[in-house]
Amino acid sequence: KAGVTQTPRYLIKTRGQQVTLSCSPISGHRSVSWYQQTPGQGLQFLFEYFSETQRNKGNFPGRFSGRQFSNSRSEMNVSTLELGDSALYLCASSGGTSGGYNEQFFGPGTRLTVL
Amino acid sequence: AQSVTQPDIHITVSEGASLELRCNYSYGATPYLFWYVQSPGQGLQLLLKYFSGDTLVQGIKGFEAEFKRSQSSFNLRKPSVHWSDAAEYFCAVGAPGTYKYIFGTGTRLKVLA
Repeated sequence: KAGVTQTPRYLIKTRGQQVTLSCSPISGHRSVSWYQQTPGQGLQFLFEYFSETQRNKGNFPGRFSGRQFSNSRSEMNVSTLELGDSALYLCASSGGTSGGYNEQFFGPGTRLTVL
Repeated sequence: AQSVTQPDIHITVSEGASLELRCNYSYGATPYLFWYVQSPGQGLQLLLKYFSGDTLVQGIKGFEAEFKRSQSSFNLRKPSVHWSDAAEYFCAVGAPGTYKYIFGTGTRLKVLA
């Protein structure tokens, strides 16, 4: 079974631009979560989608948004990029059924650099 | 609010030595607890998890962790470290039913030959 894939793996943008990152979950997984990883902050939860609905959201400004498609693929968008948005963006997928625990499987991440 | 603290940012051990990585959490009830490992350029891999029951859990790669409710801790241990264990380790807390996981800031492990 293929793992979680994220595209692109590396991205360089300039301040003020916007960016869209893509995540394809493991086949059959309906939950996709996004995290921002920076050296000082570690991993911070952005949001989680299940069956095209956002179920949870972290404490990030509205410039960060996401969506999930009917095939469970997910995208996250960051508008009006700031230097501080430079980070590794990780996507994780899980079975995501209600209640209980579903193991998260992480992709390799997209390294975003904002100049 | 939930939080996870990993007090050690960096740890250096000699190959063959024992290892303990500390993790303390803040949560009103018993959360789900996890340890992940991240090698350079890689995503995170789950080492082990705790939901309930036996407080000593075994994971992959010879790792184990012990849940201590009285200390709100979930420390990761390995009796003999291998050079390939050099990586960054993350402790995480999941509130049952929320699908939201809180990660610690990580501990970077260096292994000396």
